[in-house]
Order: sequence, then C-alpha cells, then structure tokens
Amino acid sequence: RKEVEQDPGPFNVPEGATVAFNCTYSNSASQSFFWYRQDCRKEPKLLMSVYSSGNEDGRFTAQLNRASQYISLLIRDSKLSDSATYLCAVNHQAGTALIFGKGTTLSVSS
Amino acid sequence: SQTIHQWPATLVQPVGSPLSLECTVEGTSNPNLYWYRQAAGRGLQLLFYSVGIGQISSEVPQNLSASRPQDRQFILSSKKLLLSDSGFYLCAWSSSGQLGNTIYFGEGSWLTVV
Repeated sequence: RKEVEQDPGPFNVPEGATVAFNCTYSNSASQSFFWYRQDCRKEPKLLMSVYSSGNEDGRFTAQLNRASQYISLLIRDSKLSDSATYLCAVNHQAGTALIFGKGTTLSVSS
Repeated sequence: SQTIHQWPATLVQPVGSPLSLECTVEGTSNPNLYWYRQAAGRGLQLLFYSVGIGQISSEVPQNLSASRPQDRQFILSSKKLLLSDSGFYLCAWSSSGQLGNTIYFGEGSWLTVV
C-alpha cells in the first residue's frame, strides 16, 4: 500500500456543484495533515490544514478520519476558479517531512 | 513576512552536464528546508531535507546532492544529469522545529534534460 493515495480523477463538475475528494494514508502514526492546491505548471500552495475535529474555511471543509486513515476535502458551490489539482500531504511519522499524494484534478465548467 | 526565492526558473541541460539549483529564504531564521521533485505523471517526491546548516538528509538515493552552506540557502546539485532527472524541482521551507509543520514552496524550476 502506498503511503499516501488519492483518486487522480479528473473530476468534471458544473459550476455550483459540491465535490468531495478523499486521501488515504498508510501509517497510523501520522500526525499532520494538509490540503494543497496546485495550478497548472505552478507551485503547490497551502489550501488548509486538517484538524482532528474537522475545519471549515468558506466553501471548503476538511475532515480527518483516524479510524479509517483518510482525510477528505469538500468543496461546496464550485467555481470555475476552483479548477486545479488538489494534493493531500501527510507526515508519515511524527517529526518527519510531509509526504504528498499524486493529486486529484478538478475541472469546473460553466 | 517570509519569502522564498528559487532559480533558475527554467533550464534545458544536455545529458551528462552538471546542475545547480539555488534557493534562499528570507524573513525567518533556522528554517527547515526541502527539495521536492515532481516528474511528469508522478507525484511530489521528497528528495532532501535539512534542519540546519550542513545537515542534509536524503530520502531517495540518486545522482543528486544537496548542500546548505548558509542558514537560509539550499542548493541542489548534480555532477552528471540523466534523462530521468527531468522534472519540476521545488524548494520549500517550514518553520524551525518539527518537520511535519506546514511547508511553503518556491515557484519551482523546470528542468529538461535532453
């Protein structure tokens, strides 16, 4: 099993749709979880951290399920500008560098 | 505020030639520094990280090396490039302390080995 896995997509949704991505991780000792957004041929940028109790930032909601070892990202009311690749990042073990998934591509159309 | 600069932005190098990518961070002290690579169709692969001057940890054995001659400077090098070294190289930093903290990327360097 790979350390961090994501469905590559692409997810093609119309504007206004709600879309959810999952990211599974293999090591139960992982402690830090993040979602990054990467536009085409650009560097990844932090979208949001993922907290144990779940957290929300506007139209974006992140959740952590430690029992099943996955994190999720929910995007409500999708905008054209949400089109990008979404990368999850996990630290494999406490005190180690972040490991990234391959990303899930989202395409929002009008 | 903290900023990270990485150069060159784009380069085309012949097989067997050397490589040097440089990265500097401003606005913070003793950051953790990282080099990642993103090859076509593949995810972000951690190559090296450093928690201090002269301290380099390698995650993947290959013909690349990294050095940290100053607190906020991180250099990625190769003596002889391979075709498989082509990709998008990203320098990143995180605040000093635990490595699992949020990391921030530079704008990246596109390397094509021909």
